[in-house]
Amino acid sequence: EVQLVESGGGLLQPGGSLRLSCVTSGFTFSDHYMDWVRQAPGQGLEWVGRIANRFNSYTTEYAASVKGRFTISRDDSRNSLFLQMKSLKTEDTAVYYCCRVVRWSGELPNRYHFGIDVWGLGTTVAVSS
Amino acid sequence: DIQMTQSPSSLSASVGDRVTITCRASQNIWSYLNWYQQKPGKAPKLLIYAASNLLSGVPSRFSGSGYGTEFTLTISSLQPEDFATYYCQQISFGPGTKVDIK
Repeated sequence: EVQLVESGGGLLQPGGSLRLSCVTSGFTFSDHYMDWVRQAPGQGLEWVGRIANRFNSYTTEYAASVKGRFTISRDDSRNSLFLQMKSLKTEDTAVYYCCRVVRWSGELPNRYHFGIDVWGLGTTVAVSS
Repeated sequence: DIQMTQSPSSLSASVGDRVTITCRASQNIWSYLNWYQQKPGKAPKLLIYAASNLLSGVPSRFSGSGYGTEFTLTISSLQPEDFATYYCQQISFGPGTKVDIK
């Protein structure tokens, strides 16, 4: 069974830092791109960022709202994904989901179709003074 | 960044109704568009990728169409289990469309 289990959430003050972890099992973690997605209370989904697999040099992409403050990394030997967050703002308050990405060949050269097929249960980050 | 919009933001419909949700991208995204369904308290579920490709196990009453900047998700005959919020996604997500019971 495929499982993604996040941890590391908590309550902290604006300007603080936090590191989220996601331990995975049930699939070949090293083959997959992975995403972080967040959802603020009562709000919609917000894509946070993505890390590629080893075949694609672990390239990362970020949403404009977190670029320069958040860093995604992974440890394929531990089947784990991480999200390092710094300079946290109240608007970063959300449930953070670790997500497995699947891909299909796209119509453009070297441009795949990506989608999220497995979600973790999420970990809550609350930023408040 | 490419911005995604959806319309309507919510709709009320009855079982058996045909429902159409529109998603627009701020620039050409060819067919790079997914649709998800999210029920309260649950993780989203990927329904359609590449604008019109149904994931295995997704009922055939769901269909997607469109290309470039305008896309639609259609539910041909709404079922009780379809009441949920639907999101489009290029890489960023649209704001969602909540489908509830009339």
